[in-house]
Amino acid sequence: GQSLEQPSEVTAVEGAIVQINCTYQTSGFNGLFWYQQHAGEAPTFLSYNVLDGLEEKGRFSSFLSRSKGYSYLLLKELQMKDSASYFCAVSLNGAGNNRKLIWGLGTSLAVNP
Amino acid sequence: NAGVTQTPKFQVLKTGQSMTLQCAQDMNHEYMSWYRQDPGMGLRLIHYSVGAGITDQGEVPNGYNVSRSTTEDFPLRLLSAAPSQTSVYFCASSWTGLFGPGTRLTVT
Repeated sequence: GQSLEQPSEVTAVEGAIVQINCTYQTSGFNGLFWYQQHAGEAPTFLSYNVLDGLEEKGRFSSFLSRSKGYSYLLLKELQMKDSASYFCAVSLNGAGNNRKLIWGLGTSLAVNP
Repeated sequence: NAGVTQTPKFQVLKTGQSMTLQCAQDMNHEYMSWYRQDPGMGLRLIHYSVGAGITDQGEVPNGYNVSRSTTEDFPLRLLSAAPSQTSVYFCASSWTGLFGPGTRLTVT
């Protein structure tokens, strides 16, 4: 079976750094996505990791360890607008371009002043 | 560039009714997909398409049909609505997932 696990809630203070973890067990792995979703809105793409290591994109960074089935999203210099749900999603291998995404249940991040 | 558009934004159906949720994109993306999102369940893939004329099932395809006659359009059909299909439906295009605004569907 396929499983992705994330903490359900994380709380942090404005200006701080927060890390949201994602562990996965899947049959076939192509890459791992991170998405942000504000309440009542559609998800927006943050990052996509295929190879091991850290990818930095402004205040957001994403790390992947394929051997450990582990990823994290790192948010620096937290702002109130970062309060949202964050989802990891795994892309499963398939023939040709056939790729399916399996999503975690999401982590609700609350940034307090 | 209108991005990904979905219609309608809200819909109420009675059990047994059928309807089509529309999704269109004007960016010439080959990959398009449909998800449903329920509280506490994250997003679940219903169907996806890798190009015109090619569709495949996702995680929860039962009760839904799709077709992809053009690159631009990827409609989702509910064959006989059930209360369990009450959800928010998102259409996405491109491999990285550019999402439409969603359709909130209630089945009574």
